[in-house]
Amino acid sequence: AQSVTQLGSHVSVSEGALVLLRCNYSSSVPPYLFWYVQYPNQGLQLLLKYTSAATLVKGINDFEAEFKKSETSFHLTKPSAHMSDAAEYFCAVSEGGGYQKVTFGTGTKLQVIP
Amino acid sequence: GAGVSQSPSNKVTEKGKDVELRCDPISGHTALYWYRQSLGQGLEFLIYFQGNSAPDKSGLPSDRFSAERTGGSVSTLTIQRTQQEDSAVYLCASSGRTGGTGELFFGEGSRLTVL
Repeated sequence: AQSVTQLGSHVSVSEGALVLLRCNYSSSVPPYLFWYVQYPNQGLQLLLKYTSAATLVKGINDFEAEFKKSETSFHLTKPSAHMSDAAEYFCAVSEGGGYQKVTFGTGTKLQVIP
Repeated sequence: GAGVSQSPSNKVTEKGKDVELRCDPISGHTALYWYRQSLGQGLEFLIYFQGNSAPDKSGLPSDRFSAERTGGSVSTLTIQRTQQEDSAVYLCASSGRTGGTGELFFGEGSRLTVL
């Protein structure tokens, strides 16, 4: 069965500092991996996705994530945090192959300190 | 429609009552999902519809929960004899791609409060 573990339910960074949100996955087949973001009082939207092409994936707002099979990780990073990045971030996994069940992690709330 | 539409946006009910939550997916999307979002619990998978295939109901927490999708479009999630632990935000999402590579488009959710 597929699963996702997000380390740290809350992360605080200073404005301009590096953002690192951790995600580890478990999947019995090569996975498809996603990061979604939920801004306050809004729905979830896709930030970026890995679908077995390049292992370094770039998304919106300068976020990127690197798929590391040996570490079963898909950590999300951004070089310089903005106040507008304050939100909750969800990592998700799908085993694909025509079956599209998507399993989400418990989320990480990012606080950006001015 | 332009996006995934859910109604009602807020529902307050008394313990023991039945509730229905509606989801109108993006036109043409073949896949539809229901998730439950509770504080500190992330997104809990409930059910997944894909085209005319039998739905994956493996996430429904009890037999008080059921969902249907009529005509391959609108879906209704029904919770019978609601309990206080059912209080949560119920999210619907749709996707138009097969193979697990598609992006999920989420509605803004229905917040259920059971008193």
